[in-house]
Order: sequence, then structure tokens, then C-alpha cells
Amino acid sequence: EPEVTQTPSHQVTQMGQEVILRCVPISNHLYFYWYRQILGQKVEFLVSFYNNEISEKSEIFDDQFSVERPDGSNFTLKIRSTKLEDSAMYFCASSRKVATNEKLFFGSGTQLSVL
Amino acid sequence: RKEVEQDPGPFNVPEGATVAFNCTYSNSASQSFFWYRQDCRKEPKLLMSVYSSGNEDGRFTAQLNRASQYISLLIRDSKLSDSATYLCVVNVVPALIFGKGTTLSVSS
Repeated sequence: EPEVTQTPSHQVTQMGQEVILRCVPISNHLYFYWYRQILGQKVEFLVSFYNNEISEKSEIFDDQFSVERPDGSNFTLKIRSTKLEDSAMYFCASSRKVATNEKLFFGSGTQLSVL
Repeated sequence: RKEVEQDPGPFNVPEGATVAFNCTYSNSASQSFFWYRQDCRKEPKLLMSVYSSGNEDGRFTAQLNRASQYISLLIRDSKLSDSATYLCVVNVVPALIFGKGTTLSVSS
């Protein structure tokens, strides 16, 4: 089965630093997403991205967050000035289309630790 | 955004047991429904979609009641490998809304 790949698997950073989390979606997929999961909490939607623009974002996705598809294969999540509460597992996902029963493929996640 | 509620468990059952999980959702705009499985510190993986007519995949049976906004998952003949957290998920396109999950531990 095709895979979404995420790098790095673990990222440790100091509070206030910028981090970029990277994802390579499945090659023929057109819709891309970021989700996060704080330890012991539920998986939360951050943002969806289609046709080089954000299609929807949650209230979590504030001005500190941005997404980009810089080169047609990578999909990145940037956190401009990290806070302690940004510590979480960040999952990238992709799908061929956005439809009610379309399957999302999740990457294995990047564990972000902000110290 | 409206919530998805699940009993967190844990459910501790012996091998071979039948176990049922329930879930309620509050957003009537929810368009499709799923059960995902998540192993510790791993990504969620789709277990099955859930339809109003009910659907079965081997030992797993899922049911949706739209009027009550209620979703269920039944696992028959539990295996050790079924130990995981089961996530109830509703699709309010384009976002998936996850429940916090119900933890299942199957012991020999």
C-alpha cells in the first residue's frame, strides 16, 4: 500500500524557535492535511490544503502556523515561534479527493517536544 | 466544532470475549462515520466505515443510528492483537473529527 512519509520522526526544540515538519504525501493525492495529538488527548484537525491553498483550518491553526507545498512533492507545516503547548504528535495525511467516504492515509507522525 | 464522545475505558477482556464500544456525536452535519484503530504512539489506521444499514468485516460489526447520533462497534472472539485504542470518527468534510478513543486490552 502507498505511504505518506513524515520527517523527522522526533523533533526537539527550544521554546520560541521555529520548526518545520515535513511530509511527502502519496503521489497522486490532491488533498493534504495536518492533524495533531497532544499526549493523552484526541487527534485534532489543524488544516486542509488543496490546489496550493488552505481550504479549511481549525481554531488551533493560528498565525503561528503556516503550511506550504514548496516543490510539488513535499508538504510542510511551519510553527513560527514554538510554545510549550505545541508539544504533540503531528500527523500528516493525504487523500485523492475530498468526499464523504474517501479514505485518508496518515503518515507515522512527527513527535515535537518543545522545551 | 461539535464533539464526538466515547467511553474511555479501559475495557479489559479475556481472549475470545465479545466487546462493544459506543460513541455519540453532536454535529448533525456529519456526513460519514468511521472506526479507526490506534496503537500506542502510532498513527490512526482505518478499521472500517460505518453505514446506517450496518456493516460487518470479519469479527467486527459496526452500526450507525443517525436519528440518535449513535455509532457502535462490536468485536467478536477478541484476539490479543485487538489490544489498542479504538477511535470513533465523524467526517465533517474536509475535516475528520475524532473521539478521544476507547482503550481495549485483551489478555490470555
